[in-house]
Order: sequence, then structure tokens, then C-alpha cells
Amino acid sequence: AQKVTQAQTEISVVEKEDVTLDCVYETRDTTYYLFWYKQPPSGELVFLIRRNSFDEQNEISGRYSWNFQKSTSSFNFTITASQVVDSAVYFCALSEAGGGADGLTFGKGTHLIIQP
Amino acid sequence: KAGVTQTPRYLIKTRGQQVTLSCSPISGHRSVSWYQQTPGQGLQFLFEYFSETQRNKGNFPGRFSGRQFSNSRSEMNVSTLELGDSALYLCASSLMDRVYNEQFFGPGTRLTVL
Repeated sequence: AQKVTQAQTEISVVEKEDVTLDCVYETRDTTYYLFWYKQPPSGELVFLIRRNSFDEQNEISGRYSWNFQKSTSSFNFTITASQVVDSAVYFCALSEAGGGADGLTFGKGTHLIIQP
Repeated sequence: KAGVTQTPRYLIKTRGQQVTLSCSPISGHRSVSWYQQTPGQGLQFLFEYFSETQRNKGNFPGRFSGRQFSNSRSEMNVSTLELGDSALYLCASSLMDRVYNEQFFGPGTRLTVL
């Protein structure tokens, strides 16, 4: 069965600091997809990124960057120069190509608090 | 383009009752998935529908069921409600039929069971 671990339950930083959210996954499939979602206080999950298991290139989108390392089964997310609006719960998720009973498996989430 | 809509947004029921939640996907999306979010268990996959057929089902009891209509709208039903069913129920839609595609989530229905 697939599993996603987000060891950091809550992180609190001061605005403009850089912050990294960790994600470690487990899967037996060789083809799988990794995601990050943001859940602001309103509750709606917002898609941030999808990465397939064959693409280990790091990605940068504005202040956001992602580091995918198959060797350590990690898919970490870094926010540079954090802002108060980044405060939210962030979820890492995994989906195996076969779909199956696990569907999209989410980590427990990391509650990120950006203090002004 | 309108996003995923879920109705109702809030619901209060008592133990033993049943409840039906509705989800309208983004226009053109044919896949709808349902998730349950609780503080203890986090986000858990319930089931996925594509073209009116259930494609995948998570590890939930038979009290949880769903269906999808020809216009891709989906309903989820929970019978014989238990206190532990109190949760935020999220619906997500995607263009294709597999969970590895980008899913767009609705605002959720918060169900409280008393």
C-alpha cells in the first residue's frame, strides 16, 4: 500500500523567512505521481504541482520550488521569502498509476503559520 | 469557467439518519472523486466515478455509497449515520478518468452528526 509521511505537523516562521516542508512517500509501483495541495482556512484544496516518477527535475514557480529525490523517496516543498498569505495547511499526496483502492493518498498535512 | 460546487455546505444530522451530498464538477470534467477529511484520520479517499461507473473505492464500510449521473454530477450517500461520520466531505473533479490527473476540489460539505 502507498503511504505519505509529513513529519512536520506545524511550522511557524516570521514573514520573509524561507521555509521547507518535508514529504516522504512509500510505494511499490515504479510509475506514480506526486502532488502538493494547499488548504487555506476556507477549506478548499488548491492544486500546486504534480510530478511523475520519471521526472526528477526540480521545479521553481515564483517563490515556490520543489525538490524531488527518488533515492530518498522525498518530494520537499520550499517557499522563499514567505508571506502571511502563505499561511495554510499544505498536503503532499501520492497516486499510483494503477489507481486502485488507495486513490490519491494524502499525508497528514503541515500547518504553516507565517507571522507578520 | 465555474469551479466545483458542492451542496449543501453545512449539514447537521442525528445518529441513525441518512444523508445525501451533491457535487457538480467543472464543465467538461467526467471524473468525480470523493474524500473524507477528519482531524484524526486526515484526508481519505472514498471513491471515484467516471462516466457513471465507479472506478475505485477506498476502505470505507458499505454505508458509504455514491453514484454519478449522465451529466457527470455526483451524489454521495451515507446511511445509518454514526458520530464518527462527522467530517468535511470534499469532492474533486478531473478531465480524465484516473486519480493521477490534476484534480480540482470543491469547498466541501461539513457534516455534523449529533
